[in-house]
Amino acid sequence: KNQVEQSPQSLIILEGKNCTLQCNYTVSPFSNLRWYKQDTGRGPVSLTIMTFSENTKSNGRYTATLDADTKQSSLHITASQLSDSASYICVVTLMYFNKFYFGSGTKLNVKP
Amino acid sequence: GAVVSQHPSRVICKSGTSVKIECRSLDFQATTMFWYRQFPKQSLMLMATSNEGSKATYEQGVEKDKFLINHASLTLSTLTVTSAHPEDSSFYICSARFTKGQNTEAFFGQGTRLTVV
Repeated sequence: KNQVEQSPQSLIILEGKNCTLQCNYTVSPFSNLRWYKQDTGRGPVSLTIMTFSENTKSNGRYTATLDADTKQSSLHITASQLSDSASYICVVTLMYFNKFYFGSGTKLNVKP
Repeated sequence: GAVVSQHPSRVICKSGTSVKIECRSLDFQATTMFWYRQFPKQSLMLMATSNEGSKATYEQGVEKDKFLINHASLTLSTLTVTSAHPEDSSFYICSARFTKGQNTEAFFGQGTRLTVV
């Protein structure tokens, strides 16, 4: 069964600290994996996209890693800011069928 | 990245009336668009897949007669919530599938907050 699981469900960190969010998936065959940021009351915005052959991808203070062998991805946020408070969603695309599988998201709260 | 525009961003309607939500891909053609529903503090739930020129494919448990989807052109899909009731109040989000080479990506609209009173 194709699934995407994210952890932790929620996270509270202090401003300026780093954090890492996890995404484990069983989707196969795998096409790509994307991390989205969703602010409350807004649509998700793409942060990174990685294909099978990519191990890491950065977008400013966001760095995503992918281990296709273990089917794990992480999103590392460096020097967190209050504006990083949002839900972060991992989405895996099923190859050939172009079907998307969503994780349930990690809600990050950055406190001053 | 590609832009998907969703309109309106907020709508309040009376119980029993119908509401139409538009989803447009502004700078690319989208043969496939998706409609999601999101309740507070929950993840996105796929309602239906909208294919240009053909009938939408609905997920299990989604009433196709209540949530009418029309994808008449390569840049526009609409979701009409018919005879809305307070339990239909939710955040509705569309996304459009963008394929370039072997990569497929989804771009999301800004979402529509529907409140049925």
